[in-house]
Amino acid sequence: GAVVSQHPSWVICKSGTSVKIECRSLDFQATTMFWYRQFPKQSLMLMATSNEGSKATYEQGVEKDKFLINHASLTLSTLTVTSAHPEDSSFYICSAPRPGTSNNEQFFGPGTRLTVL
Amino acid sequence: GENVEQHPSTLSVQEGDSAVIKCTYSDSASNYFPWYKQELGKRPQLIIDIRSNVGEKKDQRIAVTLNKTAKHFSLHITETQPEDSAVYFCAAINSGGYQKVTFGTGTKLQVIP
Repeated sequence: GAVVSQHPSWVICKSGTSVKIECRSLDFQATTMFWYRQFPKQSLMLMATSNEGSKATYEQGVEKDKFLINHASLTLSTLTVTSAHPEDSSFYICSAPRPGTSNNEQFFGPGTRLTVL
Repeated sequence: GENVEQHPSTLSVQEGDSAVIKCTYSDSASNYFPWYKQELGKRPQLIIDIRSNVGEKKDQRIAVTLNKTAKHFSLHITETQPEDSAVYFCAAINSGGYQKVTFGTGTKLQVIP
């Protein structure tokens, strides 16, 4: 099956700093990747769609200047949380659909636990 | 946009009994409906899926039914085991678009030994 990795798996930072999270498709090329945020005991909420070579598409209510997304290659998308605050503490997960398959299965990264102090 | 509702939010069953989780969706363009199992702190894992041209699909103890007219679909787990305890999410996808996943609100299933 397709593999998606994320780095780091967890990060603790001080309020006001920026944190970068990487999402990589290891054995396939992903022109599209998705970024989700999951608060404790809640569902995964889509934040944005990352498109290789073009601007990301953000969901309503997600600040594009705060959550910077870069999809510079077919195997890497990055999410940068700028000026992080405690309310940004959450579980961030990326996913990518594998192209060329007959189904629409999404392959999820293992997630990144962000804690902002 | 798509809106997916899921019920119940919590479900406790005795080991060996069946568990049923129900979801409804709003966007008639959605045509792919996966179910995910998520353990604490882990990524969602696909357990079964169904397409809009199929009414039912079964994989061992797990089955999913879809009523496209009513826009609802259900997950059925039979002969539940303690290792089935987890949070389950339904989801809906419009495969004709960017394939973004809209998740249900989740069901915490507890299987009591």
